[in-house]
Amino acid sequence: DVVMTQSPLSLAVTLGQPASISCRSSRTLVFSDGNTHLNWFHQRPGQSPRRLMYKVSNRDSGVPDRFSASGSGTDFTLKISRVEAEDVGVYYCMQGAHWPATFGPGTKVEI
Amino acid sequence: DVQLVQSGAEVKKPGESLKISCKGSGYNFTIYWIGWVRQMPGKGLEWMAIIYPGNSDTRYSPSFRGQVTISADKSLNTAYVQWSSLKASDTAMYYCTTGDGYAWGQGTRVTVSS
Repeated sequence: DVVMTQSPLSLAVTLGQPASISCRSSRTLVFSDGNTHLNWFHQRPGQSPRRLMYKVSNRDSGVPDRFSASGSGTDFTLKISRVEAEDVGVYYCMQGAHWPATFGPGTKVEI
Repeated sequence: DVQLVQSGAEVKKPGESLKISCKGSGYNFTIYWIGWVRQMPGKGLEWMAIIYPGNSDTRYSPSFRGQVTISADKSLNTAYVQWSSLKASDTAMYYCTTGDGYAWGQGTRVTVSS
């Protein structure tokens, strides 16, 4: 299985300040379609996960533009330009290039 | 809007069987992979299996192969995961999601306890 690692695993942030989460994969995530299948998810306590970003840097509908993502190969980053209270929860990266798809361990973001 | 609606919470005893469901709406259910993700209490997300409803092609994560069975009824726009003999370690929240993680169900809590 492709192993996904994230850092940090826990992040205390200040409202209005930026935050950044790193994700690394044990294999390159380029699929046979030429796309890099790396997605980011946010899970608030007691809620289902919600996809924020797909194929590295594409923002899902309704996701605020304070969220951005980048990366290639095996190294990826999710950034929040100015953290808001609703951003608390756990952030997961997930690779979908190789089955089984695998998630990172999650990064818990707290204010 | 794409929606996935899962069946309700279950409380079972070890050794019992169980089948939970996930009904899709708002999209062509037949042409998108749909799968199941486990989240054990206080833990992260794990893919279990996925299925392509159009032809019932299935893929299992090695950790879950032989432990669960995934299926789909395209006439009902519904996917299922079932256990033939539950264990206490199957206690978890189970989510259905489209293969790309775009849409998620609300989760089905399964508790296995004697």
